[in-house]
This record gives sequence, C-alpha cells and structure tokens, in this order.
Amino acid sequence: AQKVTQAQTEISVVEKEDVTLDCVYETRDTTYYLFWYKQPPSGELVFLIRRNSFDEQNEISGRYSWNFQKSTSSFNFTITASQVVDSAVYFCALSEATAAGNKLTFGGGTRVLVKP
Amino acid sequence: DADVTQTPRNRITKTGKRIMLECSQTKGHDRMYWYRQDPGLGLRLIYYSFDVKDINKGEISDGYSVSRQAQAKFSLSLESAIPNQTALYFCATSDFATGAQDTQYFGPGTRLTVL
Repeated sequence: AQKVTQAQTEISVVEKEDVTLDCVYETRDTTYYLFWYKQPPSGELVFLIRRNSFDEQNEISGRYSWNFQKSTSSFNFTITASQVVDSAVYFCALSEATAAGNKLTFGGGTRVLVKP
Repeated sequence: DADVTQTPRNRITKTGKRIMLECSQTKGHDRMYWYRQDPGLGLRLIYYSFDVKDINKGEISDGYSVSRQAQAKFSLSLESAIPNQTALYFCATSDFATGAQDTQYFGPGTRLTVL
C-alpha cells in the first residue's frame, strides 16, 4: 500500500526566512506521480506541482522549489524568502496507477506559520 | 465563476439525519472524487467515479453513498449522520483525456458538523 509521511506537523518562521517541508513516500510502483497542494486559511486546496517518477530534475517556480530524490523516496518543498501570505497547510500527495485508475494518497499536512 | 462548486458550504445537522452534499463542475472533467479532511490525517478518499456509469469505493466509504447524476454532478450522501462524520468535505475532479488524470482540482469544501 502506498503511504505519504509529512513528519513536520507545524513550522513557524519569521518573514524572509527560508522554510523546507519534508515529504517521504512509500510505493511499490515504478511509475507514480507526486504532488504538492496548498491550503490557505480560507480552506480551499490549491494545486502547486505534479512530478512524475521518471523526472528527478529539481524544479523552481518563483520562490518555490522542489527537490525530488528517488533514492531516499523524498519530495521536499522549499519556500525561499517566506512571506505572510505563505501561511497555510501544505499537503504532499502520491498517485499510483491501479487497475481501477489513478488515486491520490495524502500526507497529514504541514502547517506553516510565517510571522511578520 | 469557480470551476468546481460545492453546496452547501457549511452545514450543521443532528445525529440520525440524512444529509446530501452536492458537487458541480464546469471543467468538463470525466473523473470526480469525494474526500474528507480531519485534522492531522490529511485527506482521505471516500468515493470516486471515472464516468457516469462508474462508482468506486475509496478508503473510508462506510456510512456514505454517492450518486453521479451527470458528468458534471457528483453527490455525497450520509444516510444517517453520526458525530464522527463531522469533518471538512472536498469534491475534486480530474481529466483522463489530458494524460494527467491524476492531477485533481478541488472545490472550496463543505464544513459539516453533526451534533
């Protein structure tokens, strides 16, 4: 069975500090996808990134960057120069292809609090 | 207008009542999902549907049922609500045709409280 672990339940930083969110996953599939979603205080879930298991290149999007390491089954997320608007709960998720189709398994989430 | 809408956004009900949560989407996606979110547990899949004639149980389907009335509509029912079904419920959609069918887009959520 697939599993996603976000060991950090809450991280508190001061604005402009960098913050890294850890995500470790377990899967028996060789083909899978990893995701990050953001849930701001308003409650909606916002899709941030999708990464497939064959692409280990790191990705940067503005102040966000992601580090995928298959060798350690990790897909970590870094926010550079954090801002108050980054305060949210962040979820890592894993999709495995099954006979019934693709389903997402979510980690428990990491709450990020950015203080001014 | 939002691509994925959920009604109601908030609901308080009593134990034993039947509740229906509705989800509509204008994204034209064929796949729809229902999740519940509990603190510290992330989101857990209740039911999913890959087309109008297809309904599948997820990780925690007991106590829930669903109906896919049309490609754009997917309803979740609690036949006899109980307090431990108090949670935040999300509907999501994804599109098989794009090849990124596992990228799911979420509605705004429905906060359900069962007293």
